[in-house]
Amino acid sequence: SYELTQPPSVSVAPGQTAKITCGGKNIGGKVVHWYQQKPGQAPLLVVYDDSDRPSGIPERFSGSNSGKAAALTITRVEAGDEADYFCQVWDRSSDQYVFGTGTKVTVL
Amino acid sequence: QIQLVQSGPENKKPGASVTVSCKTSGYSFLNHGINWVRQAPGQGLEWLGWTIPNSRSTDYAQNFQGRLSVTTDTSTKTAYMELTSLTSDDTAVYYCARDEGVCGGDCSAGPTAFDYWGQGTLVTVSS
Repeated sequence: SYELTQPPSVSVAPGQTAKITCGGKNIGGKVVHWYQQKPGQAPLLVVYDDSDRPSGIPERFSGSNSGKAAALTITRVEAGDEADYFCQVWDRSSDQYVFGTGTKVTVL
Repeated sequence: QIQLVQSGPENKKPGASVTVSCKTSGYSFLNHGINWVRQAPGQGLEWLGWTIPNSRSTDYAQNFQGRLSVTTDTSTKTAYMELTSLTSDDTAVYYCARDEGVCGGDCSAGPTAFDYWGQGTLVTVSS
């Protein structure tokens, strides 16, 4: 089955930039979405279709998908960005959605 | 505003079944797929299945085929998920989530994002 790999954790100082990667076979050929999840809350869509932002999501959140890995970048990190982040794709070979392993972002 | 409101927590014995509901409002229920996702304690997200109210088509993750049923009631704009033959491994928070994309006709699951989520329903399976 298709697998998406993320680093377990990323630590960043306030005001700096956090970059979370999402690796998978031929991920460049897939559309990647990103979710933020804070403790006790449902996931929140922060980037869809590789690089689009839903209404209400700050421009500080951006996505890319270069082929070898997809990435979520958070610039000017704030304390409120501390959360778990998950990538997601649709795997056509198995006809199912797959989520990444998740990355915990800690703001120092 | 768009809302997905799920039913309350459930405690079940191994071997039993559970049904979770997801009542929607604020958008055209017929034209957006509804997905079900679960999260075991301290673990990641796992997609379970999908349905589209305008045709009642369904799609299930391989691991849940035969044990999962997702349905909708268009009169109440409510989606349902039933999981049978429960084991302790099914203990998790279960979420419903709306497809971001609009389905105008013959649609199938994927690859759209999930733009609105229910608050989650904790299902605990224990003897």
